[in-house]
Amino acid sequence: DIQMTQSPSSLSASVGDRVTITCRASQSISPYLNWYQQKPGKAPRLLIYDASTLQSGVPSRFSGSGSGTAFTLTISSLQPEDFATYYCQQSYNTLTFGGGTKVEIK
Amino acid sequence: QVRLVQSGAEVKRPGASVKVSCKTAGYTFTDSYMHWVRQAPGQGLEWMGWINPNRGGTNYGQKFQGRVTMTRDTSISTAYMELSRLRSDDTAVYYCASGIERHQLVPFYWGQGTLVIVSS
Repeated sequence: DIQMTQSPSSLSASVGDRVTITCRASQSISPYLNWYQQKPGKAPRLLIYDASTLQSGVPSRFSGSGSGTAFTLTISSLQPEDFATYYCQQSYNTLTFGGGTKVEIK
Repeated sequence: QVRLVQSGAEVKRPGASVKVSCKTAGYTFTDSYMHWVRQAPGQGLEWMGWINPNRGGTNYGQKFQGRVTMTRDTSISTAYMELSRLRSDDTAVYYCASGIERHQLVPFYWGQGTLVIVSS
């Protein structure tokens, strides 16, 4: 199975900050990398698929980039509703998720 | 719009089986793979497998092979996930999630989740 490693596992940030989360795969998976947001008690929500395509309805402050084995999710200006846990997931073959990054209020 | 509505919470004894349903609406059920993902309390997301509702083909994660069975009933646009020989570490929220036509391996739309508690 392809292993997905996210960093950091948690971070503290303020409203308006630029936030970057990194995801690394154990082998090349381009472009089959997706990002999800999950709030407590809720189902995950797809934000970005195929590394950089914004899902319909997702604010443009979210962006994804990367290729090969290294990918990033960037939130350009953190908003109060963005405090959540973020997961990367590869869909190159049998799906695997990263361990998650919890974004907390500073 | 696309809706996935799952069955209610379950409490099971160790060694028993559980069957979770996922009723869909708002799209053609047979056009999109259905994935099952679980999340243990305070933990991350774990993919269990998918079913192709069109022909019933399945692909299970290695960890669950031999214990999980994914089925569907196309007449009522509903997918099912059955997990057998339950253990306490199977306690989790179980989600169904559908792909879309050109991205079958991307869980786009998610159900609300079903809590399964395994306890003696």
